[in-house]
Amino acid sequence: AQTVTQSQPEMSVQEAETVTLSCTYDTSESDYYLFWYKQPPSRQMILVIRQEAYKQQNATENRFSVNFQKAAKSFSLKISDSQLGDAAMYFCAYTIQGAQKLVFGQGTRLTINP
Amino acid sequence: KAGVTQTPRYLIKTRGQQVTLSCSPISGHRSVSWYQQTPGQGLQFLFEYFSETQRNKGNFPGRFSGRQFSNSRSEMNVSTLELGDSALYLCASSLDSSFNTIYFGEGSWLTVV
Repeated sequence: AQTVTQSQPEMSVQEAETVTLSCTYDTSESDYYLFWYKQPPSRQMILVIRQEAYKQQNATENRFSVNFQKAAKSFSLKISDSQLGDAAMYFCAYTIQGAQKLVFGQGTRLTINP
Repeated sequence: KAGVTQTPRYLIKTRGQQVTLSCSPISGHRSVSWYQQTPGQGLQFLFEYFSETQRNKGNFPGRFSGRQFSNSRSEMNVSTLELGDSALYLCASSLDSSFNTIYFGEGSWLTVV
């Protein structure tokens, strides 16, 4: 069975600095997608970034980038120039090609210190 | 373009009752899936519908059921509510089976007393 593990229950960072959230996953599939979602206090899940497993290039969205290591089954999220609005729970998630079933990690609560 | 819309946003039910939650996907999206979020179990997949057919089902008892209509709107139903069913129920939609970006609604908070 596919599993997703986020080993950092909580992280904190000073405003304007950089933080990296870790995620590892286990799968025997070769074609899959990985996501980072943000869940602020409003509880709506907001897509931050997505990575296709067949792409070697790491995805980037403005201040957010990933380090995708397929062989190591690692998918970390780097947030640069952290802002107060980045404070939220961050979930790493996985789904295989053709399925609309996300497997989530346990989440990392990110605090931004002003 | 409107996002995924869920109703009702908040509701309180009594143990033993049943509840129906509704979800309208993003226009043009044909896949709708449901998730349960609790502090103890985290985010768990309930089921997914595509073109009115259930394609995937999570590991939940038969009290949890769903359906999808021809306009892609979906409902989920929980019968014989238990205290442990108290949770945030999230609906998500995506364009189709080959485009795997999944967008979420704001959720329906269910409290069972």
